Amino acid sequence: KQEVTQIPAALSVPEGENLVLNCSFTDSAIYNLQWFRQDPGKGLTSLLLIQSSQREQTSGRLNASLDKSSGRSTLYIAASQPGDSATYLCAVRKTGNQFYFGTGTSLTVIP
Amino acid sequence: GAGVSQTPSNKVTEKGKYVELRCDPISGHTALYWYRQSLGQGPEFLIYFQGTGAADDSGLPNDRFFAVRPEGSVSTLKIQRTERGDSAVYLCASSSGLAAEETQYFGPGTRLLVL
Repeated sequence: KQEVTQIPAALSVPEGENLVLNCSFTDSAIYNLQWFRQDPGKGLTSLLLIQSSQREQTSGRLNASLDKSSGRSTLYIAASQPGDSATYLCAVRKTGNQFYFGTGTSLTVIP
Repeated sequence: GAGVSQTPSNKVTEKGKYVELRCDPISGHTALYWYRQSLGQGPEFLIYFQGTGAADDSGLPNDRFFAVRPEGSVSTLKIQRTERGDSAVYLCASSSGLAAEETQYFGPGTRLLVL
């Protein structure tokens, strides 16, 4: 079974800092990897999707990288803002339609 | 158009009771997923529908859990003889189903508490 781990579990940074969230997975035979954000009491919002053949994806201040062979992905957030405070989850998809989620990183950006 | 909606937003029930959780996907989305999220954990896959049929139900924990999607749109997750361990947030997601790389759109979830 695919195991997905996210480190750190929680992170607190002052506004304006750049930060990196980490995701690792045990089985490199993935179809794609997605990063989501989850706000308290809300569902998940997709941020970036990286296909297994890709190395990175960018959207605004967010950049996600994927190293499939080593089973790692990072989410880089530039110039963090208080509105970025949320839980960030990564999910890997194997062939088929099963998605495996990590336990998330809870981010707090302090004004 | 409207996003994925789920009802009820909260459900409190007693152990042993039967509950139904409803998901309205984005109009036109053929793929629908149910997940369960326990406190401090990531979502756990339960079942996937493509159209009206359950294409993958391998994540359902036991035979007390059942889901239907009779017309290929709205889906209902049914839990019989609820147990305290069933308490969690149940999330529904839908996607276009047209391509394997499409993203999933999640609803706000139903928070189930079994007393």
